Amino acid sequence: EIVLTQSPGTLSLSPGERATLSCRASQSVSSSYLAWYQQKPGQAPRLLIYDASSRATGIPDRFSGSGSGTDFTLTISRLEPEDFAVYYCQQYGSSPPYSFGQGTKLEIK
Amino acid sequence: QVRLQESGPGLVKPSETLSLTCTVSGYSISSVYYWGWIRQPPGKGLEWIGSIHHSGRTYYNPSLKSRVTISVDTTKNQFSLKLSSVTAADTAVYYCARAVMYWGQGTLVTVSS
Repeated sequence: EIVLTQSPGTLSLSPGERATLSCRASQSVSSSYLAWYQQKPGQAPRLLIYDASSRATGIPDRFSGSGSGTDFTLTISRLEPEDFAVYYCQQYGSSPPYSFGQGTKLEIK
Repeated sequence: QVRLQESGPGLVKPSETLSLTCTVSGYSISSVYYWGWIRQPPGKGLEWIGSIHHSGRTYYNPSLKSRVTISVDTTKNQFSLKLSSVTAADTAVYYCARAVMYWGQGTLVTVSS
């Protein structure tokens, strides 16, 4: 079973700044099957990135994903007020369970 | 447009079986992709429960495996979740999803007598 560890747990930044969120896997994620989600209170998670670096439909280009193997990164180039939320990574490689990270809360500084 | 909608009782008694259905529209459930269930206890993170693949094979979270069954009804374009012997720890918002791309809005299930 692959365990995903996200860091930091909480990230305090201001609008306009750059955010870098990390997701580290306990073993290699096959074919870079790694997704990133954004979740706001009372809402379902929203897919941002799939296959480690592909933006989902309608996602602004300030969101980007990178990485392979065991280390993955979600970058938000210039934070907008609506970007403050909780972010989760999930691996969906060849071996279920398709585990989630514990989440990173992005809060306004 | 692919849409998923969860349905089922919002309140389940301890030791009973939680049963939820996900109705899919805009896509045939018999086609490629896997269909899964995820849950989120109040104030906590996401937990993958399990999935059923287009091959018919099912995969379950090891921590829940003894209590979970996921099945598909292709005639109704639906898939279902059954979780037996529930306790208060199973109180959560339950989501159904098609792979990673499409999610339902979620439904809150409370386990209480």
